[in-house]
Amino acid sequence: DAGVIQSPRHEVTEMGQEVTLRCKPISGHNSLFWYRQTMMRGLELLIYFNNNVPIDDSGMPEDRFSAKMPNASFSTLKIQPSEPRDSAVYFCASSLGDGSGYTFGSGTRLTVV
Amino acid sequence: AQSVTQPDIHITVSEGASLELRCNYSYGATPYLFWYVQSPGQGLQLLLKYFSGDTLVQGIKGFEAEFKRSQSSFNLRKPSVHWSDAAEYFCAVGVRGGGADGLTFGKGTHLIIQP
Repeated sequence: DAGVIQSPRHEVTEMGQEVTLRCKPISGHNSLFWYRQTMMRGLELLIYFNNNVPIDDSGMPEDRFSAKMPNASFSTLKIQPSEPRDSAVYFCASSLGDGSGYTFGSGTRLTVV
Repeated sequence: AQSVTQPDIHITVSEGASLELRCNYSYGATPYLFWYVQSPGQGLQLLLKYFSGDTLVQGIKGFEAEFKRSQSSFNLRKPSVHWSDAAEYFCAVGVRGGGADGLTFGKGTHLIIQP
């Protein structure tokens, strides 16, 4: 079991550029979550999917953020255009959807300059 | 909506000493409860979880936690800490029911181990 796989591990981009973060959940997990972690705000749930369908995107901060899950094995989080205040670590997590807890990926550290 | 409070931002403990990290939650029913640990530059790893039954839960790395309904608490304990336990610890509450199971996390407690 390779766990939840996120790419890239680090991303540095200039303000205004488009950024795409990628996540491969654990096979068989039917829920997928995107979190953002900052020193100031801690862990924030951005959006979660159940069976590839977005269930709650109320945590997405602005229209600049969008997420997709075209199939059970892949999800993307896109920021367009990016801003310096988007700098954070973005985590993807997946679960069986039965409340048994998440498995987290190692995260993508995003720096927008 | 559920919420989680971890009142201690930082805790310093000597190696070999006992540890207790506090967690209080707010939720209208019996929740699912979790403790996660995050080492620097890493993702979050599940230490233990409570769903129902025995209120004392054993986890990995020698950790345990006790669910106290009357106090709305789920404190994490370890009888003797090791230097490798230095990390950020997060308590989380989950919502019972079917479908997606979003967790709400506390702000975390940073554990420092003194030699």
